[in-house]
Amino acid sequence: GESVGLHLPTLSVQEGDNSIINCAYSNSASDYFIWYKQESGKGPQFIIDIRSNMDKRQGQRVTVLLNKTVKHLSLQIAATQPGDSAVYFCAENSGYSTLTFGKGTMLLVSP
Amino acid sequence: DVKVTQSSRYLVKRTGEKVFLECVQDMDHENMFWYRQDPGLGLRLIYFSYDVKMKEKGDIPEGYSVSREKKERFSLILESASTNQTSMYLCASSSPGSNRGYTFGSGTRLTVV
Repeated sequence: GESVGLHLPTLSVQEGDNSIINCAYSNSASDYFIWYKQESGKGPQFIIDIRSNMDKRQGQRVTVLLNKTVKHLSLQIAATQPGDSAVYFCAENSGYSTLTFGKGTMLLVSP
Repeated sequence: DVKVTQSSRYLVKRTGEKVFLECVQDMDHENMFWYRQDPGLGLRLIYFSYDVKMKEKGDIPEGYSVSREKKERFSLILESASTNQTSMYLCASSSPGSNRGYTFGSGTRLTVV
């Protein structure tokens, strides 16, 4: 979703639920996408990536889906845990080895 | 454990001061980046560097400069700090063709009063 003012879009889930975080990207020529997780007081950390010649990639408890037709990326987290609470960013490779980041979504996991 | 280290976690500076933010990486990465992160605006690229002594402007370079005299170190300079430069500053590094994107530092929260 879009951020409004100073507030991040927030997804609140219960522990054990599956979470889906969405991202719309802007450049149809982007060929590489990454999801990052940023915990409070820390820098963003790599979670999973996907290249544009794929539409799905799975990691440990995480899956990234890419829909190039509508320029949409999603991150699915299975069996969400309190330790998954963080801000999640998508990023696209916009050329020259630089990444363009989305504004982020805050995931809150309740025990 | 490989890392990107930012010299300060928190800084408070006065308007008009010259401010140096330091970043060091131990991964022999060619590329280094400075971003600022503000609520609702996400990460915005200030400057980046592909090699020693090389620098490129990002999306918001105004009011900033950078220095890269050694491969492992990339410094961000605020020539005359202003209150609108109060922000979280994130340094990152990467290697061309890396399949893990950037490695980020923990950030420096700068407050200009």
